[in-house]
Parts: sequence; C-alpha cells; structure tokens
Amino acid sequence: KAGVTQTPRYLIKTRGQQVTLSCSPISGHRSVSWYQQTPGQGLQFLFEYFSETQRNKGNFPGRFSGRQFSNSRSEMNVSTLELGDSALYLCASSLGTGGSPGELFFGEGSRLTVL
Amino acid sequence: GNSVTQMEGPVTLSEEAFLTINCTYTATGYPSLFWYVQYPGEGLQLLLKATKADDKGSNKGFEATYRKETTSFHLEKGSVQVSDSAVYFCALDSNYQLIWGAGTKLIIKP
Repeated sequence: KAGVTQTPRYLIKTRGQQVTLSCSPISGHRSVSWYQQTPGQGLQFLFEYFSETQRNKGNFPGRFSGRQFSNSRSEMNVSTLELGDSALYLCASSLGTGGSPGELFFGEGSRLTVL
Repeated sequence: GNSVTQMEGPVTLSEEAFLTINCTYTATGYPSLFWYVQYPGEGLQLLLKATKADDKGSNKGFEATYRKETTSFHLEKGSVQVSDSAVYFCALDSNYQLIWGAGTKLIIKP
C-alpha cells in the first residue's frame, strides 16, 4: 500500500512569490491535514479537509490556503511568500471518520526555503 | 485552549537505560492522546495512542498511560536501544487537528 506522497520534496522561492504544494493520501483515506514544522514553533496545524470540505483551520494568515479534490488529493498554496514561511510542510492522511483524527499517516514533507 | 507540554531535550541515555519522557496536557473534555516519533531522515509515525482515561498504549517496548487525574501521558521504556534515537512528540486531538508538544530529542549512546 503506497504511503502519503508529497511533491515537491524541496523547493526554493524568493520573497513575494507564491508556491503550491501537493499531497496524495493513502488510498481510501478521505481526510488530509497540513502542518507546518519549524525549529522555533514546532508543529502547527494549518488545515484539515474531508471529502473536499475544510473542517478546521489553524491560526495562519489568509496567504495560506488549501483545497481537496474529489479523489482526496490535496494542495496547499502560500501566496506572497515571506522569509518566515521557510519550513517543512507536512501532509497527513487518515480515514477521517468520527471526531478524532485518529492515527495520522504522514508524508516526508515539502521543505520550502524562502530567500 | 488545549495545549501539550513536553519535557525539553535533548535527553541523552546509555543503551539499556530506563526512559521516561514527560508529557502533560490541558484540554476540555477527554481527548485522545498520542505519541509520535520522527526518526532521522524519516517522516512522523504513530508510536502509540490511548483514547480514554486509564488506557495504556504500547508499541515496540514503549508504554504510556492516560492519567486523567494528573493530566499526563508520560512515555516509558524499560531498556532503550541505539535505534530508539529520534524525536518524540506528544499530541492530543481537538476538533479534527492534533495539538503537539514541542518534541523531545532522544540520544542513545552505545
């Protein structure tokens, strides 16, 4: 069974640009979550989608957005990049049923560097 | 709001030593509690979980008990190995998200 796949794995952007990250969940998983991991702030929740609906959103500015497609694949977009957006962006999938996210299966992440 | 507090690292132990990594939480209601591990160069993976008070989660020799009275979920292992070197994260679930502790880096020396 294939795991969670994130693309691209590494990318370098300059301030003011935008970036789109992609996530393919485990087959059969309908929930996709995104987290930002930095040395200073640790793991912070961005958003969670289930069957194309955003069920929760973290405390990030509107420059951070996401969506989920009918095949459960998800994308997140960051516009007008700032230096502080440099981070490892992690995608996780789960079955998504019930109120608890349950066990999350993580991809290896997309490492974004903003210059 | 809900939060998780973990002991700061790094924690350095010799092989076969006893391990405890402390985790306490603040939450409304009774969330599920998790320990995730991030091995060097690998993605986060679930180590163990507990879904209600007094539950004990266990995996790979690690254990943690959901203690409602002390709002704790401490991770323990009786005899650590070099291969246990990793970063360990305690987390609780809340409204379709996991709220994470800061992570504890564990270094095991042979």
